[in-house]
Formats: sequence, C-alpha cells, structure tokens
Amino acid sequence: EPEVTQTPSHQVTQMGQEVILRCVPISNHLYFYWYRQILGQKVEFLVSFYNNEISEKSEIFDDQFSVERPDGSNFTLKIRSTKLEDSAMYFCASSEGVRAGNQPQHFGDGTRLSIL
Amino acid sequence: AQTVTQSQPEMSVQEAETVTLSCTYDTSENNYYLFWYKQPPSRQMILVIRQEAYKQQNATENRFSVNFQKAAKSFSLKISDSQLGDTAMYFCAFMNWGGSEKLVFGKGTKLTVNP
Repeated sequence: EPEVTQTPSHQVTQMGQEVILRCVPISNHLYFYWYRQILGQKVEFLVSFYNNEISEKSEIFDDQFSVERPDGSNFTLKIRSTKLEDSAMYFCASSEGVRAGNQPQHFGDGTRLSIL
Repeated sequence: AQTVTQSQPEMSVQEAETVTLSCTYDTSENNYYLFWYKQPPSRQMILVIRQEAYKQQNATENRFSVNFQKAAKSFSLKISDSQLGDTAMYFCAFMNWGGSEKLVFGKGTKLTVNP
C-alpha cells in the first residue's frame, strides 16, 4: 500500500537556525497537510496546500513557516528561525481530493524536531 | 471553534476482551465527519474508522465499531476481541463537511493490550 514518507525521522537544530522538513506524499494525491504535536499535547493543524498554494493555515503558521512543493514529488515545511517552542513531532499528510472526509488523510511517520 | 476531548489518557485491556475508548466533541455544525486514527509505537498514524454525521447507522470495520450519539456529541470506539497489535495511541478527530479540510484532534488515548 502506498505510504507518505517523511525525512528525517529526527532533526536536532540549534535555536535560530533554519530547518527544512521533507515529505513525499502519495503519488496521486492532490491535497497536502502539515500538523504538529508538542509533547503531551494535541496534534494541531498547521497548513493545507492544494494546486501549488496554501488553501488554509492556522494561527500557528506565522511568517517563520513556509511550505513548498519544489518538484512533482516532495512537499517541504521550512522554519526560518527556529525557537525552543518549535520542538515537536511534525506530521505530513496527503489526501486524494477535495472531499477529504470521503478521501481520508494519510499520515507519515513524523519528524521529531528538537531545538537546542 | 471545534474541540475534541478524549478523557482517558491511558487504558489497558486483556487480549481477546473488548474495550471502549471515549470521545466527545463540540461543534455548532450539523454536517461533519468523525474519525478514529491509530498510531502504533514508532509507526505512522492510520485511519481506523470514520463516520459521517448525517448517517444514523454506526460505522463498523471488522473488530472496530463506533457508538455515534449525535445529540450527545459523543463518538466512542469499541474494539472487540482485542489483539496485541491493537496496542497504540488512538486519536479521535473531527472535520467539517465542506470548507475547511483540517482535522481537529483529541489528545489521544494510549491503549495497551496485555497478553
């Protein structure tokens, strides 16, 4: 069964540094998402992306965050200047089409980001 | 804004027994979707079961079934004949019907199936 893959599985970065988290969504999927989970807290929505643009973002997704689909397969999340509070598990997800309730989101294993 | 509450941080069950995980949610919408996702240790989150709010019939997927009580805004997951491979974090999630495609998650319930 096709899977969403995320790299790296664990990223350790100094505060203030830029970090890029990478995801390869399922190949025929058209909607892409990033979520994060701070340790001990809920999984929170960050952003959704469709047709090469952001379709929705949360209040967490401020100017320090950006997403990109640089080629036909990768979907990246960039944090420009990391803060301690960015430490979390970041999940990428993708879905086949618009009606995601009928075409559910498939998740990757996550990238654990640790900011020192 | 929608919220999802899972009141059981941890649960355990003996193999082959039945366990029910609780989930309540808050919304003013009439049409929406509800999901249960499972995340085994060090593995990706996978969809277990989903329910459309306009359907009165409770969803069932093999050993997994839900008790959807729309008026009470309750969406519990029942796992029958529990297996060791059911050990995982279980997340309840909500999505609006139409408009936003984002999932709103609960904090999760850690389920351990004991041999």
